[in-house]
Amino acid sequence: NAGVTQTPKFQVLKTGQSMTLQCAQDMNHNSMYWYRQDPGMGLRLIYYSASEGTTDKGEVPNGYNVSRLNKREFSLRLESAAPSQTSVYFCATTGGLFTPLHFGNGTRLTVT
Amino acid sequence: EDQVTQSPEALRLQEGESSSLNCSYTVSGLRGLFWYRQDPGKGPEFLFTLYSAGEEKEKERLKATLTKKESFLHITAPKPEDSATYLCAVIRNGQNFVFGPGTRLSVLP
Repeated sequence: NAGVTQTPKFQVLKTGQSMTLQCAQDMNHNSMYWYRQDPGMGLRLIYYSASEGTTDKGEVPNGYNVSRLNKREFSLRLESAAPSQTSVYFCATTGGLFTPLHFGNGTRLTVT
Repeated sequence: EDQVTQSPEALRLQEGESSSLNCSYTVSGLRGLFWYRQDPGKGPEFLFTLYSAGEEKEKERLKATLTKKESFLHITAPKPEDSATYLCAVIRNGQNFVFGPGTRLSVLP
């Protein structure tokens, strides 16, 4: 089925450890996004990529880096995890201007 | 600053008891308002896009409407399977999506 696939589904890290969250889409969309979701705060944009080869900061980029590997794949890296990065991370994609986002099922990250 | 608020924060309904969820926004130059449904442990699932005031969209028991300052998601004769968190988001020129915090809907049998 066409869609957005995120790996891993769950992850527990210790403070200071690093990890990469993977996202792949088979919808042939240009734009890809990384959001985090915290209780009571809604979805907040971390980074986005309007097209292959470009990336831009969103609302909460500190502590994260991204790589747009190709049109299908957009990864999010935590270089030195902190407890404040405990959250649910969603990757999303959209096919054009002012069209809806399509989300993956998220990665649930706990940093202890 | 663009803001999206949703009310109520949580809503409990009896099966068959119709109600409405509200999404209010302060965005100049709105280019689209989106409604999503999110089940526990899942990503948001797209429901509707509304592009201009006066527009309405329907899907099964759900109907979304849009004015210049707010949108309503009307739920007619809800069933327990309609229980979920409902999110709205807005977008305007040159900006990315701004999401509201959501309304948690519980429909009791």
